[in-house]
Amino acid sequence: GNSVTQMEGPVTLSEEAFLTINCTYTATGYPSLFWYVQYPGEGLQLLLKATKADDKGSNKGFEATYRKETTSFHLEKGSVQVSDSAVYFCALSDGAAGNKLTFGGGTRVLVKP
Amino acid sequence: DAGVIQSPRHEVTEMGQEVTLRCKPISGHNSLFWYRQTMMRGLELLIYFNNNVPIDDSGMPEDRFSAKMPNASFSTLKIQPSEPRDSAVYFCASSPGSSARGELFFGEGSRLTVL
Repeated sequence: GNSVTQMEGPVTLSEEAFLTINCTYTATGYPSLFWYVQYPGEGLQLLLKATKADDKGSNKGFEATYRKETTSFHLEKGSVQVSDSAVYFCALSDGAAGNKLTFGGGTRVLVKP
Repeated sequence: DAGVIQSPRHEVTEMGQEVTLRCKPISGHNSLFWYRQTMMRGLELLIYFNNNVPIDDSGMPEDRFSAKMPNASFSTLKIQPSEPRDSAVYFCASSPGSSARGELFFGEGSRLTVL
């Protein structure tokens, strides 16, 4: 079955530091890959996505590249802000089950001023 | 535009009581999902609907849980009887459908505490 594995947190960084959150997946076929973000007290929001190999998703300074050869979709941001403090979820959709998403366990990121 | 609307935002109840959580999806979306989030188990998909029809309820923990979607603009998740281990944040999400695969819009969640 499908699965998503992401690095455990919490990840604590200083403002303007570089952020990487690792994500690897197992899936049949050719899944679409996603990063969702959950700010404190809120629901999840789609941050970025990639639908095929070598696609790069980007939004709000975050980037992730769909690497089929390594089955990875690592999230990166060059200079984080305090407002980036949140929980980040990697997810995949293989299309075989409609819009059903398989989520990773989430990585909490705390950015200190 | 209104997003996914969930109610109540917070519910505190005693073990054995019935709990009903409500969700209004975004107008025009034809997929609806119920998720449960806990510290121990993370995000779990409980059930999802396409065009008001339940497609996959394999994540529903047991017979105490039931979900309905009587029309395109309303869904309920019911727990009867509730137990302390049901304490969690329950999220409803909707999606436009196959043209936006995997793009879910989440509500703000209903935090349930069962004493």
